Formats: sequence, C-alpha cells, structure tokens
Amino acid sequence: GAVVSQHPSWVICKSGTSVKIECRSLDFQATTMFWYRQFPKQSLMLMATSNEGSKATYEQGVEKDKFLINHASLTLSTLTVTSAHPEDSSFYICSARVPPGQAEFGSGTQLSVL
Amino acid sequence: AQSVAQPEDQVNVAEGNPLTVKCTYSVSGNPYLFWYVQYPNRGLQFLLKYITGDNLVKGSYGFEAEFNKSQTSFHLKKPSALVSDSALYFCAVRVPYNNNDMRFGAGTRLTVKP
Repeated sequence: GAVVSQHPSWVICKSGTSVKIECRSLDFQATTMFWYRQFPKQSLMLMATSNEGSKATYEQGVEKDKFLINHASLTLSTLTVTSAHPEDSSFYICSARVPPGQAEFGSGTQLSVL
Repeated sequence: AQSVAQPEDQVNVAEGNPLTVKCTYSVSGNPYLFWYVQYPNRGLQFLLKYITGDNLVKGSYGFEAEFNKSQTSFHLKKPSALVSDSALYFCAVRVPYNNNDMRFGAGTRLTVKP
C-alpha cells in the first residue's frame, strides 16, 4: 500500500535556529501534501496545503515566513521552521492523499525548541 | 463548512467487551468519512473509510463503522476490545469537491483495561 515517510522523528534545537522536516511518498506520486500541527492531547490542525510546483496554501493564522513549505517534486515536500522558538515546539505530521480519497500519514516529527 | 464531532474525550472498556467510539459529522453534500488511530508519539494510522456503498464498513484490526445518514453518524465499533487497542482515535470528514484536506474530530482516548 501507499507509504508516506517523514523524518526526522525527533529533533531538538536551540532557539533561533531553523529546522527542516521532510515528507516523502515512497511508492506513489503526490501532487498535494498536507502539513498538520498537533498540540498535546489535541486534534490535528491543518497548517498548509503543499502543491507540487506551486506555492503552498496556508491556513488562516499560520505564518508563511515562519513555516516555509517547498514541494519541488512529486514525492517530496519539506517544512522548514525558521528561527524556531520554544512556542514552536509541537508534533508535526504530514499526509498525502491517495485516490479515491484516503490520506496516508507520515509518522510525525516531535520538535522541541530549547 | 464541514466538521466532525467526537462527543467523548475518553472511553473506558474492559478487555473482551464491545467498544464504541462515537462520531457525528456536518457537511453539505455527500461525505467521505474516515477513522484513524494514533499511538503515543506516532503518526496516524488508517483504520477504515466510507465513501459509498454498504453502510457497514469493515477495517483493520477487527474494527468496523456504520454510516448512518439520517443521524449523520459514523461510530467506530469492535465486538471484543483488546488492551492493545488503547490509543487515540480520530474521526475525519472530507467533502469530495473540496480540495482542502480533511477535518478532524478532537479525538477520543480509548483505554481498554485487562
């Protein structure tokens, strides 16, 4: 079946540094990928929709300059948290849509900013 | 706007007993409905989906769900719970013509006690 690979699983960084998270579709092409953020004991919140070859679509309230999304190929989307601060610490998950409407999720990335 | 509600934050059942995790939805149009399970510090795993056809959908790990259009519900069920079923369960809805990704419920934490 379709598999979405996300890494790293864990990242700890200093405040002010940037962190890149990768999301790959391993055995299928994904023209659209999605990035979510999840706070402890809460549901997933859609951050942005990543479109291959074009600009990402961000949800209201999500800072475009803070969360840079690049979808340069049909199998790879990246989320870069720029100048990370402790409040950016969270669990980030990507997903890709698999026809006819199911989503496959990556394993998630736990970001801790010190 | 599409939305989904999971009215219970927590469900506790004894091992071997049947379990039900409730989900209701609100969409304009015919919904695609999904159930996902999340284990600690992990991404979401697909359990089952309803797109069309039989109202009773069977999925992974012995789970099933019944689509009830009149009650706008899609409750997740399992005849005999296992301790290993303890996890966080999310219901999600997507409207086919909407290119945005799914909307998730707040999640229900299932605890199965030996």
